[in-house]
Amino acid sequence: EVQLVESGGGSVQPGGSLRLSCAASGFTFSGHYMDWVRQAPGKGLEWVGRIRNKANNYITEYAASVKGRVTISRDESRNSLYLQMNGLKTDDTAVYYCAREGLNIAMALDYWGQGTLVTVSS
Amino acid sequence: SYVLTQPPSVSVAPGKTASITCGGDNIGIKNVHWYQQKPGQAPVLVIYHDTDLPSGIPERVSGSNSGSTATLTIRRVEAGDEADYYCQVWDSSSVHWVFGGGTRLTVL
Repeated sequence: EVQLVESGGGSVQPGGSLRLSCAASGFTFSGHYMDWVRQAPGKGLEWVGRIRNKANNYITEYAASVKGRVTISRDESRNSLYLQMNGLKTDDTAVYYCAREGLNIAMALDYWGQGTLVTVSS
Repeated sequence: SYVLTQPPSVSVAPGKTASITCGGDNIGIKNVHWYQQKPGQAPVLVIYHDTDLPSGIPERVSGSNSGSTATLTIRRVEAGDEADYYCQVWDSSSVHWVFGGGTRLTVL
C-alpha cells in the first residue's frame, strides 16, 4: 500500500525556518518525481515545487512565490522527501502536502499525504 | 504565467448531472488532471490525462478537454460527491504545475 506521511509542521515566527519531511512507503520511491503542494486556510491548492528522480538528475523546480526561500531534497536511502523553508512569511501559513507524480499517467499526483500544518505568526 | 479559471460553485440535485469547467488558453493541447477534496481530507485524483479514470473512481465520473475548456462531468450525482474539485495542468513555459481556483460542488 502506498503511503506518504508528512511531519515537521508547527508554529514559527516570521523570518524563521522549518523543515518538513515526508516518509514514503509501499512503492519504489526512487522512480518517482515528488511534489509539495500547500493549501492556506480556506483557500485552494497551490503548487510549491517538485524534485525529479535520479534518472532526471534530481532537478528541482519551484513556484515563484517560494523560489529562493525553499529547498526540496530527497534521501533515497530513507525513502524520504524534504522541504526546507527559510525566511517564512505569514502568507506561508498552510497545510503542506507531499504528493507522488504517477508513472504512465501523464505525471498526475496519484497519491497524497495527509498534510502537515505550518503556522507563521508573531 | 498560465491561468486556469473555474467557477467558484456548482449546485446540482441528486441523480442529476454536474459539469465543472476549467478554462485556460488553448488548454485543449495540455493534459488536464482533476482532483476531488472533501473537508479535512487530502485531495484525491479523479481524472488524469483529460479523460482517464484512476482505479477505484466510478465510471459516473468523466472528463473532456477541447479548445479553451476542460470539463469534469459527474453523472447520477450522489450526496457523497459533495466536495471541492480542482483542475491542474503542467505549464511548460514556466515549468510549473498550475491549479485552478477550485469549484465547490453542492448537492441540493
